[in-house]
Amino acid sequence: EPEVTQTPSHQVTQMGQEVILRCVPISNHLYFYWYRQILGQKVEFLVSFYNNEISEKSEIFDDQFSVERPDGSNFTLKIRSTKLEDSAMYFCASSPLAGGPGNIQYFGAGTRLSVL
Amino acid sequence: KQEVTQIPAALSVPEGENLVLNCSFTDSAIYNLQWFRQDPGKGLTSLLLIQSSQREQTSGRLNASLDKSSGRSTLYIAASQPGDSATYLCAAPDSGGGADGLTFGKGTHLIIQP
Repeated sequence: EPEVTQTPSHQVTQMGQEVILRCVPISNHLYFYWYRQILGQKVEFLVSFYNNEISEKSEIFDDQFSVERPDGSNFTLKIRSTKLEDSAMYFCASSPLAGGPGNIQYFGAGTRLSVL
Repeated sequence: KQEVTQIPAALSVPEGENLVLNCSFTDSAIYNLQWFRQDPGKGLTSLLLIQSSQREQTSGRLNASLDKSSGRSTLYIAASQPGDSATYLCAAPDSGGGADGLTFGKGTHLIIQP
């Protein structure tokens, strides 16, 4: 069964460093998303992406964050200068539709980011 | 802005019991609602999508209902098994169309005792 793939599974970085989290969405999906889950807290929406543009973003997704689809298969989340509070599990998701009743978002296994 | 609440926060029951997990949402103009399962330290597995035009959706021992007018959804698990132990999350889209992000509840942490 097709699945969303995320790499690495665990990323450790020093505060102030740049990190890139990678995702390979399901191949025929057109809409891509990033979410994060700080330990013990809710899963929170960060950004959605379609047709090489950001479609929607939350207030969490500030100038420190950026997303890109550098080729036909990868979807990346870049954090420019990491802070301690960026430590979280980051989930990528994809869906075949933008919205509507039948739209299902499929999630990857996540990348655990630890900022030291 | 959509808000999602799940009750109870935690539930521990003996194996074999039927149980109900509750989810409420504030913006009833949703077009669907998704239930997920999350195992410790793992990703999110989609269990059921229930569309706004549906009142119920079933998958195996799971049954989800949706009542938009009251802003509620329930996940019914029949004949629970120890393997059902996990955190169950419900998520509703922010209304308005486009590539909507999902708003999640905090989840119900379920333990099924053998």
